[in-house]
Amino acid sequence: GAVVSQHPSWVICKSGTSVKIECRSLDFQATTMFWYRQFPKQSLMLMATSNEGSKATYEQGVEKDKFLINHASLTLSTLTVTSAHPEDSSFYICSATTSTSGGYEQYFGPGTRLTVT
Amino acid sequence: GQNIDQPTEMTATEGAIVQINCTYQTSGFNGLFWYQQHAGEAPTFLSYNVLDGLEEKGRFSSFLSRSKGYSYLLLKELQMKDSASYLCAVRPTGVEAGTALIFGKGTTLSVSS
Repeated sequence: GAVVSQHPSWVICKSGTSVKIECRSLDFQATTMFWYRQFPKQSLMLMATSNEGSKATYEQGVEKDKFLINHASLTLSTLTVTSAHPEDSSFYICSATTSTSGGYEQYFGPGTRLTVT
Repeated sequence: GQNIDQPTEMTATEGAIVQINCTYQTSGFNGLFWYQQHAGEAPTFLSYNVLDGLEEKGRFSSFLSRSKGYSYLLLKELQMKDSASYLCAVRPTGVEAGTALIFGKGTTLSVSS
């Protein structure tokens, strides 16, 4: 089956620093990748939709200058949390879809646990 | 607006059957998904319904009624490892790869011996 990886799986950083999270589709080409954020006991909240070679589409309330998304190739999307604050501490999950799958299934990465101190 | 409702918590015992309900109100509908998520892990796909009726997949079954905006996930022969959060998600429009899902808050199922 399709595999999506994320790196790192967890990261601790200090307030004010930036953190980059990578999302890779390992055995398929992902025309679209999604970035979600999940707080404890909450559901997945879509942050942005990332299409290869174009600018990401951000959901309402998500600051595009704070959460920088780059989808430079069909197998890699990155999310950079800039000037991180403790309230940015969360579980960040990416997912990828490909047209060959018919859009019927999203393949999720294992998630990245970010803790900002 | 978009709204997906499911119970927050449910408990059951090993070997039993449990039904997790999900109701949705979305601007459009093009499929409903159920995912299982263990604590600290990403969701894993369980089932997909786009037409009315029951889809069976081993110990798991999922039902959809589009006219009622209602779905349920049925888990049979419960095992301890089924203790997890179960997420109901709707794809509001389109079948293109670029269509995001809307997730409910999840139902935490606890299975005891």
